[in-house]
Amino acid sequence: NAGVTQTPKFRVLKTGQSMTLLCAQDMNHEYMYWYRQDPGMGLRLIHYSVGEGTTAKGEVPDGYNVSRLKKQNFLLGLESAAPSQTSVYFCASTNLIGDTQYFGPGTRLTVL
Amino acid sequence: AQKITQTQPGMFVQEKEAVTLDCTYDTSDPSYGLFWYKQPSSGEMIFLIYQGSYDQQNATEGRYSLNFQKARKSANLVISASQLGDSAMYFCAMREGRGSGNTGKLIFGQGTTLQVKP
Repeated sequence: NAGVTQTPKFRVLKTGQSMTLLCAQDMNHEYMYWYRQDPGMGLRLIHYSVGEGTTAKGEVPDGYNVSRLKKQNFLLGLESAAPSQTSVYFCASTNLIGDTQYFGPGTRLTVL
Repeated sequence: AQKITQTQPGMFVQEKEAVTLDCTYDTSDPSYGLFWYKQPSSGEMIFLIYQGSYDQQNATEGRYSLNFQKARKSANLVISASQLGDSAMYFCAMREGRGSGNTGKLIFGQGTTLQVKP
């Protein structure tokens, strides 16, 4: 029972490079979320999706894009990475609004 | 605007004692949910306990209980009989109410680091 998985677990980028983080869930959840966690802070919502083919902006969306082409996958893209995007990225999913969100293990991204 | 406040950056507790982690929230939505998550040094987010705004009784899950005081807008986590494995960062979070147009997104506090002393 995999739950929510994230790929990759670690990544180091140079400023200006691009990359895509993959989140996959096997629980048939409709709702998926991307959060970032900076040192000493709680998680902040980047983008979210309420169903296949839909995406919406969260609290800190600038510099990121997302896609939800398949229900089980939610991709987070950085087109031109900046040092300010150094963070730990968490993906989460839930079945219904308000139900417990299940988190992936996180991706630690460093932008030099 | 919705907001979660955790005023204790760090807490210490002796093993086997109880500890309370504070959380206050602000929302104008009558329907909301409150969560506590544990983040050990390994980094994963572990769900601990949930309290709905209309729940009449305080939530309990094993050694975890949530002291929900609606009028004071507080949702403190109580850990009984602390164990060394409880040492971690603890986050309080709130979700928007149910109904059409709600996203289910969580708003997190800044967290409290708990250290359990042997």
